[in-house]
This record gives sequence, structure tokens and C-alpha cells, in this order.
Amino acid sequence: KAGVTQTPRYLIKTRGQQVTLSCSPISGHRSVSWYQQTPGQGLQFLFEYFSETQRNKGNFPGRFSGRQFSNSRSEMNVSTLELGDSALYLCASSGGRGETQYFGPGTRLLVL
Amino acid sequence: AQSVTQLDSQVPVFEEAPVELRCNYSSSVSVYLFWYVQYPNQGLQLLLKYLSGSTLVKGINGFEAEFNKSQTSFHLRKPSVHISDTAEYFCAVRITGGGNKLTFGTGTQLKVEL
Repeated sequence: KAGVTQTPRYLIKTRGQQVTLSCSPISGHRSVSWYQQTPGQGLQFLFEYFSETQRNKGNFPGRFSGRQFSNSRSEMNVSTLELGDSALYLCASSGGRGETQYFGPGTRLLVL
Repeated sequence: AQSVTQLDSQVPVFEEAPVELRCNYSSSVSVYLFWYVQYPNQGLQLLLKYLSGSTLVKGINGFEAEFNKSQTSFHLRKPSVHISDTAEYFCAVRITGGGNKLTFGTGTQLKVEL
């Protein structure tokens, strides 16, 4: 089976812009979670989607949003980018809630 | 709320020597425990997990970990490391019945030297 894929792998944006990141889970997986990884804050949970519904949300401002489509693919959006949003954004998929999560390679976002 | 502490930010070790990476957690409810590894410019790969049963868990690449409930610890061990084990290792917890949210420690950089 193909693993979790994330696109794009690298992205450069400027402050104030918005960005959309995409995640395709492992075939058959219905749950997708997103994490932000920075040198200062480490790995932090953003949100979890299952069957197109957000099930859990981390402590991030409303500029961070996401959605999941009927084919389980997920997107996350960050509006009005700030320098501090520069990070590696990781997506993880699992068969269902409470099952083992498998991570994608991440999207590295640089905000200038 | 849960928290995970990895006291060692960096652990240098010579090749073929044993290594232990420490992880302690705090939670008011029952949790599952995980170790993930991250190689440079890559995502996270699951090494092993403790859900229930035997407290000694064996994972991939010769790693194992022991769950100690009384000490709230889940230390990762390998009897003989290889250069290719150089990577960052993350301990994580997830609340049982709490969906998929993982709470991670700050990571331990394992550097294997010749």
C-alpha cells in the first residue's frame, strides 16, 4: 500500500498570505490528524478529522482550519500567515479513531 | 491534561554500545504509549507501542521499551546501536478512548559515533 502523501513538500510564502496544504491518507484509512512541528514548540496537535467531521482540535488560533473530503483526503488552511507559522506540518492517517497513526513526510512551510 | 517528559535532549553513544532513551509521562487518565523515530527531512515512523498486556514491548530495528506504571515511565532501549540509528526519537501518549490526539515529548537526538 502507498503511504501517506502530502503536497506540496516545500512552500515559501510571505506574511499576510494564506496557504493550503493537502494530505492523502493510506488507502482505506478514514481518520486524518495534523501536527505542527517547530524547533521551539516541538510537535503540537492541530486537529483530527474522521468521516468528514472535525473530532478534536488543538490550541491554535482560528487562522488554522481544515476539512476532510468524502474520499478521506484532507486539507488544512492557514490564513494571514505570520512568521511564527514557519514549520513542518505533518499529517497522519489511521484506519479509525484510536488506531495506530502513520505519518506522511510533511510539508515544510517557510514564511518570509 | 497529559504531558510527556524526555529529559535528555541529546544522547551521544558509540556504535555497538547499548542505549536507553528516557521517557516519563503524566496523566490523570489511562493512556497508550508510543515511540516514534524521525530521520532528517522525513516524517515520523512508529517504532513501537504499548496498548495493554506485557509491559515489555518489542519494536522494529531491534528496539524495545518497558512500561512501568508505578514510575510512569516508558524508556526505550537497544542493546547495540548502529550508525543508522542516528535520528531524533519522540515519546508520545494518547488517552485511551480519546480519539487520535497524540501528545509528544520534546524529543531526544540520538547520535551514534564510530
